[in-house]
Amino acid sequence: GNSVTQMEGPVTLSEEAFLTINCTYTATGYPSLFWYVQYPGEGLQLLLKATKADDKGSNKGFEATYRKETTSFHLEKGSVQVSDSAVYFCALSGDSSYKLIFGSGTRLLVRP
Amino acid sequence: DGGITQSPKYLFRKEGQNVTLSCEQNLNHDAMYWYRQDPGQGLRLIYYSQIVNDFQKGDIAEGYSVSREKKESFPLTVTSAQKNPTAFYLCASSNRDRGYEQYFGPGTRLTVT
Repeated sequence: GNSVTQMEGPVTLSEEAFLTINCTYTATGYPSLFWYVQYPGEGLQLLLKATKADDKGSNKGFEATYRKETTSFHLEKGSVQVSDSAVYFCALSGDSSYKLIFGSGTRLLVRP
Repeated sequence: DGGITQSPKYLFRKEGQNVTLSCEQNLNHDAMYWYRQDPGQGLRLIYYSQIVNDFQKGDIAEGYSVSREKKESFPLTVTSAQKNPTAFYLCASSNRDRGYEQYFGPGTRLTVT
C-alpha cells in the first residue's frame, strides 16, 4: 500500500534561514501529494498540494515539487519566520482516493 | 463562513464512561473522517464515511463507534472498551470536486482519568 516517510524533527532554525523538510513516498499509480501545517493546539491546515508529476505547489512562501523520479515532495522556504514554528505533515492520497496517508510530522522551531 | 466545528475543545471523563465527540461541517462535503493524534505522533485514522448511512473502519477502530445519519454530522463515541482513550481527536471532511483534499476541525482534547 501507499506510504510516506518524512524527516524526523525537531528542526531548529534561526529566523531568515532556508528550510527544507524531506518527504518521500511509496505509491502505486499517481497519488496526489499534500503538505499540512499544525499550529499548537489546533487542527491541520492545508498548506499546499500537487496532483501530478512535476507540479509545484506553493503558498505563503512555501514550495514543494512533485518528483516522480525520486518519489519525493520536499517542502522548502527561502526565509523562515518565527511564526512558521509548527508541525508539518506530508501526506498522499491512499489506495482509495478518499483516504490520505500521513507522515509522522516534523516539528519546526524558528528562533528570533 | 463554511467550516468544520468540533465541540467541546476540552473534555474530561472518568474511566469506564462512554463519551461522544461532536463534528459538524457546512461545506457540503460527502466524506468525513476521524483521526486520533497522540503527543509527538502523526495522525491515525479511526473511521471514515463516504456517504450518509455508510462508514468504514480505519486503522484503529477498536473501542470506537460512529454514525452518519446526516451529511453534516459525524459524531464519534469513545467507548469504555478503548484502552487508552486520552488523546487529541481531529475530524475532517473532503469532496471529490476538490480532489479529496481534507479540511480539518480544531480538534477535541479528551482526557480520561
